[in-house]
Amino acid sequence: ETGVTQSPTHLIKTRGQQVTLRCSSQSGHNTVSWYQQALGQGPQFIFQYYREEENGRGNFPPRFSGLQFPNYSSELNVNALELDDSALYLCASSLTLGTLAADIEKLFFGSGTQLSVL
Amino acid sequence: GDSVTQMEGPVTLSEEAFLTINCTYTATGYPSLFWYVQYPGEGLQLLLKATKADDKGSNKGFEATYRKETTSFHLEKGSVQVSDSAVYFCALSAVYNFNKFYFGSGTKLNVKP
Repeated sequence: ETGVTQSPTHLIKTRGQQVTLRCSSQSGHNTVSWYQQALGQGPQFIFQYYREEENGRGNFPPRFSGLQFPNYSSELNVNALELDDSALYLCASSLTLGTLAADIEKLFFGSGTQLSVL
Repeated sequence: GDSVTQMEGPVTLSEEAFLTINCTYTATGYPSLFWYVQYPGEGLQLLLKATKADDKGSNKGFEATYRKETTSFHLEKGSVQVSDSAVYFCALSAVYNFNKFYFGSGTKLNVKP
């Protein structure tokens, strides 16, 4: 078990609604990344937060947004949900040391939130 | 851009058989390479990694060697067990952002007793 917790574990929404997913990072970690894993696919990088600011973004539209809080926990918000947003959303926490590359062993994933959009 | 391609599954083997799951990558510079495993209902767990050319990552009997000349990082195990049944993902971390990972589409392994 990694110590990264995500909530809720499952969620059902309808098209057009908004959703907020939450992630508590591993103790001692200061960076949170979010990934979208569609059924039968590998995770796709959404964005990363470090020091409460977005620090890199994948090919996702602006309706995907996030927050990181002073305790390093994070939220992923998705507005105007579409059917294709149905996926497993994974949070991963890690440690970034200033401008140096993080210890890349220390990327821990949560179990994910399964989002279904009807 | 950076990407990872791995063999499609599912792969079905009998217990104690030899396993190879192919993975090739495209990347700028020299990325770090990983294999992750995902058991049903769980998140991804790091299986092994290699950070430079010719490095061999190993863990729990699994091995993979970082081959720069063939841009490959194939996963191997000499004798699989039923408990190895899972989905395996090859991944790379971008040189310019070590915390951003690119994953392959995953290979499901089924091991029969």
